[in-house]
Amino acid sequence: DAKTTQPNSMESNEEEPVHLPCNHSTISGTDYIHWYRQLPSQGPEYVIHGLTSNVNNRMASLAIAEDRKSSTLILHRATLRDAAVYYCILRAHQTGANNLFFGTGTRLTVIP
Amino acid sequence: DTGVSQDPRHKITKRGQNVTFRCDPISEHNRLYWYRQTLGQGPEFLTYFQNEAQLEKSRLLSDRFSAERPKGSFSTLEIQRTEQGDSAMYLCASSSPLAGPSSSYNEQFFGPGTRLTVL
Repeated sequence: DAKTTQPNSMESNEEEPVHLPCNHSTISGTDYIHWYRQLPSQGPEYVIHGLTSNVNNRMASLAIAEDRKSSTLILHRATLRDAAVYYCILRAHQTGANNLFFGTGTRLTVIP
Repeated sequence: DTGVSQDPRHKITKRGQNVTFRCDPISEHNRLYWYRQTLGQGPEFLTYFQNEAQLEKSRLLSDRFSAERPKGSFSTLEIQRTEQGDSAMYLCASSSPLAGPSSSYNEQFFGPGTRLTVL
C-alpha cells in the first residue's frame, strides 16, 4: 500500500481555520485519498475522501494537489470538539477488503 | 443507538487466560473488520469478513487469535493464552459496499473498542 506522511502534531486556536497536510508521493492513479479522525477514547470516524477534485462536506474540505502527491484537510473553523488524531489514508480502487492502513496520524490540539 | 457496538468495553485478564470479545455491526452492513490499536499508534488491520466468510487475515493475527462471524451478523474475536503484548484496544468496524463507479469507497463505521489489559 502506498504510504502517507503527516506531521506528528499541530496546534490551532479555537475558531480559526486549520490546514492538515498529507504527503503521498507514491500514490497510484486509482488510489483514493481518505481522511479519518479519532477523538479521545473513541473509534475512528470517517471525515472525507476524494480522488482528484477538491471536495467539501459538512465536516471539512479536502484540497488535492494537481499532481495528487499531496493533499490538505481543511477545517474551516476549529472547535474544541475537533481535537483528535487525523489520519490520511490511501485506498486502492479495488473490490477487495479495502481494509484501512492507518499511520500514526496528526494529533490536533485546539487551544481555547 | 444504531451504531457499531462492542462488548465488553474493558477487560482485564491474567497472562495465559483466554478472552473473547463481541462486535455487533450496523445491521445492514455485510462487511466487518477487526483492528488492534496500541498506545500512540494508529489502528492495525487484523481480519475482515464479508457476510460469514473470513476473507482476509493479517500476519498480525497469530494462531492464538481466532475470529468468527457465524451467521453473518455479530462477530467474536477470541485470544487464547493471552500475553502481555496482547494488551491493546481492539476495534471493530463495519461497512456496506456502495454501488457506483467509486466502488473502492465504503465508509467504515467503528465501534468504541474493547480495551484489553493483560497482567
